[in-house]
Amino acid sequence: NAGVTQTPKFRILKIGQSMTLQCTQDMNHNYMYWYRQDPGMGLKLIYYSVGAGITDKGEVPNGYNVSRSTTEDFPLRLELAAPSQTSVYFCASSYKFEPGTQYNEQFFGPGTRLTVL
Amino acid sequence: DQQVKQNSPSLSVQEGRISILNCDYTNSMFDYFLWYKKYPAEGPTFLISISSIKDKNEDGRFTVFLNKSAKHLSLHIVPSQPGDSAVYFCALKPVQTGKLIFGQGTTLQVKP
Repeated sequence: NAGVTQTPKFRILKIGQSMTLQCTQDMNHNYMYWYRQDPGMGLKLIYYSVGAGITDKGEVPNGYNVSRSTTEDFPLRLELAAPSQTSVYFCASSYKFEPGTQYNEQFFGPGTRLTVL
Repeated sequence: DQQVKQNSPSLSVQEGRISILNCDYTNSMFDYFLWYKKYPAEGPTFLISISSIKDKNEDGRFTVFLNKSAKHLSLHIVPSQPGDSAVYFCALKPVQTGKLIFGQGTTLQVKP
């Protein structure tokens, strides 16, 4: 298993450009997540998905969009890049959460380092 | 308004000694408490967890303690090894949701 893969590893964007961060998992996980990590800060949830066709906002969704057409893929779209979106982006996945049962850990990809100038 | 705080940005310990990483929270509505470890240029990896009905969970050199009355979580690593040098995040899972709330992270350096 490759686990969670993310592309690209690094990217520099100009203000106003758009791009898509790709995320794929091969563990047949229902749940997928996008986080951003700013220096000295913890991971902030941007968007998450509980299955194909279902997405929802996290803590910091502004400026981003997602889609989930398959179980494996969960791309993150930046439409109009801004310097405030300079960050490291992590995708993660996990098995379905069932209230009252043992928690299922999230598996993370290696991250995409994005700089907006 | 941060619900989860790791007040020590960094910690340095000697190899073989104990490392203690701390995490404080302000809300009682969490049912799982986790620690993730992160090396540079890699994603976080799950280390150890504890449910809210327990106060201690041990896995080899790693032990997590939960003090619900003080709303305090800690990770003990003993003995510490140079390979333990990484950023450690505590993460809390609210009841009824699969989402996690992360602390800011503590950078641990274990000196040989």
